[in-house]
Amino acid sequence: DTEVTQTPKHLVMGMTNKKSLKCEQHMGHRAMYWYKQKAKKPPELMFVYSYEKLSINESVPSRFSPECPNSSLLNLHLHALQPEDSALYLCASSQVRAETQYFGPGTRLLVL
Amino acid sequence: DQQVKQNSPSLSVQEGRISILNCDYTNSMFDYFLWYKKYPAEGPTFLISISSIKDKNEDGRFTVFLNKSAKHLSLHIVPSQPGDSAVYFCAASASGSRLTFGEGTQLTVNP
Repeated sequence: DTEVTQTPKHLVMGMTNKKSLKCEQHMGHRAMYWYKQKAKKPPELMFVYSYEKLSINESVPSRFSPECPNSSLLNLHLHALQPEDSALYLCASSQVRAETQYFGPGTRLLVL
Repeated sequence: DQQVKQNSPSLSVQEGRISILNCDYTNSMFDYFLWYKKYPAEGPTFLISISSIKDKNEDGRFTVFLNKSAKHLSLHIVPSQPGDSAVYFCAASASGSRLTFGEGTQLTVNP
């Protein structure tokens, strides 16, 4: 089983809203990732969690706030987003030091 | 500095024929390479990988070739099927570090 699940599938929010994206995996992976992907572009790394600790933050604006409550869950809290933040947000997971990352289906976010 | 390059933004192939997708890299520290397939509005799906200690890895219709001296890898799909139509990303990492993705190649397999 290489499934990573993400909710919601679609999200529309205003610039003053607060919302959260959720990601879950039950593969026993200890590294989890958030990526942002714009149309026809490769995924851009945002955050990496390793053993539930934030290990990489790719200079992401503070309006994006990640959280890893336990080894299976990863959240991305959104607040005061801008229209240019509209994108597909992808979660991925991997064994801590393995290179193969398994991606979820993504959350399609539209900021109005 | 684009360390992983996919120079062909698109490729069109007839059903049943071979599809060859190419990828070049510049970082000699890369030791693990992967191919992902992506349909619109979905997450990338892992297809196949290869370690730098090998020059070929095969899984069903998919074969990845690695030429370390040329810093080049390719994905062969034989035979191509219409369901293979998607964007293909190659990615590379060095010692388990973050993945570096290419820009992707849109493959269209015509019936």
